[in-house]
Amino acid sequence: ILNVEQSPQSLHVQEGDSTNFTCSFPSSNFYALHWYRWETAKSPEALFVMTLNGDEKKKGRISATLNTKEGYSYLYIKGSQPEDSATYLCAASVSGYALNFGKGTSLLVTP
Amino acid sequence: ETGVTQTPRHLVMGMTNKKSLKCEQHLGHNAMYWYKQSAKKPLELMFVYSLEERVENNSVPSRFSPECPNSSHLFLHLHTLQPEDSALYLCASSQLTGAGELFFGEGSRLTVL
Repeated sequence: ILNVEQSPQSLHVQEGDSTNFTCSFPSSNFYALHWYRWETAKSPEALFVMTLNGDEKKKGRISATLNTKEGYSYLYIKGSQPEDSATYLCAASVSGYALNFGKGTSLLVTP
Repeated sequence: ETGVTQTPRHLVMGMTNKKSLKCEQHLGHNAMYWYKQSAKKPLELMFVYSLEERVENNSVPSRFSPECPNSSHLFLHLHTLQPEDSALYLCASSQLTGAGELFFGEGSRLTVL
């Protein structure tokens, strides 16, 4: 089982603030890194899947970077909105099957 | 609507009951998964099926028994569970195992009395 760590555990920002979270994972035998957003009473939804060192992906105001050599990924949210409030999950894989999740970062954006 | 449907959404059972959770995906994916979400713990992978064949069993107790009769359906049969098995059970599917993004159902909330 892969140890995936996420920080911070929770975050409370004001509308319009930009924020970022960290995901760290063992760098040896890395295969893929996933980010998911999980809103209350809904199902987790994929944001990004990254496999290459140096990968940067963007979807609207949300972007992510990947460093496989040092074993970390950052998720950035620019100009946070209340609808961004959710738990953000990071998951890493070192094989073709097992995707190991971190505990998540819970984000609350208040107007 | 993710294309992955789980039933029932809520289940309460006694320790001697036998029940099943059902998952159905309408996405034409080849892989299906069961995950367990307990309070204050990360999502834990329980089982992986690829092309209807179980390819991973993450040291799950035998009181949990998965079944994948075809690529669209996945079941989790439950019997003689313990109160600590109370959790949210999430089903997911993907086109590819490993790198393919997961599409999750909304989960089945299980309470064992």
